[in-house]
Amino acid sequence: DTEVTQTPKHLVMGMTNKKSLKCEQHMGHRAMYWYKQKAKKPPELMFVYSYEKLSINESVPSRFSPECPNSSLLNLHLHALQPEDSALYLCASSQGDFIGMNTEAFFGQGTRLTVV
Amino acid sequence: DAKTTQPPSMDCAEGRAANLPCNHSTISGNEYVYWYRQIHSQGPQYIIHGLKNNETNEMASLIITEDRKSSTLILPHATLRDTAVYYCIVSFNKLVFGAGTILRVKS
Repeated sequence: DTEVTQTPKHLVMGMTNKKSLKCEQHMGHRAMYWYKQKAKKPPELMFVYSYEKLSINESVPSRFSPECPNSSLLNLHLHALQPEDSALYLCASSQGDFIGMNTEAFFGQGTRLTVV
Repeated sequence: DAKTTQPPSMDCAEGRAANLPCNHSTISGNEYVYWYRQIHSQGPQYIIHGLKNNETNEMASLIITEDRKSSTLILPHATLRDTAVYYCIVSFNKLVFGAGTILRVKS
């Protein structure tokens, strides 16, 4: 199984809603990532988890709250988002520690989020 | 992380080799060169990576110059399904994507 599964595939939420994005992998990978991708732009790194601990936060606003409950699961909790937060949210995972990574990262197909 | 420079777009005839260049003149000794691609509306897909030596796998070949300041990704027999944005990333740790090259394979 070389899949990273993201749910839901599509999400529409209001600016006062609270929602969560879910990402799951069963490859035994210990590094997991959240990216945000706006239309016609490259993916932007948001967070990196290594061995279930937050290692990198790329100055992401607090309305995005990541969580890594276990080594297979990564969540992104969303609260009080703005319309400009509408984007494709991508999850990825890689083997071992991301420092000095000499391996491929596997990406999910993303959650397309629309904030209304 | 070292910065990379790629041409914004390239065209390639179907069945021919696609050679995608990447300049990374500020690369550090411990930074790897990674190539990923993203087909429209899908998640990025790993292609290949290397440190110093040339690498080949079932998808592509990676040629890194001796001074490591540039590299070329080679898709030996491009097909229409290879039309995508190709990203060259140089990193020791986190993957930071640049603008990439839009490769259009035409019949």
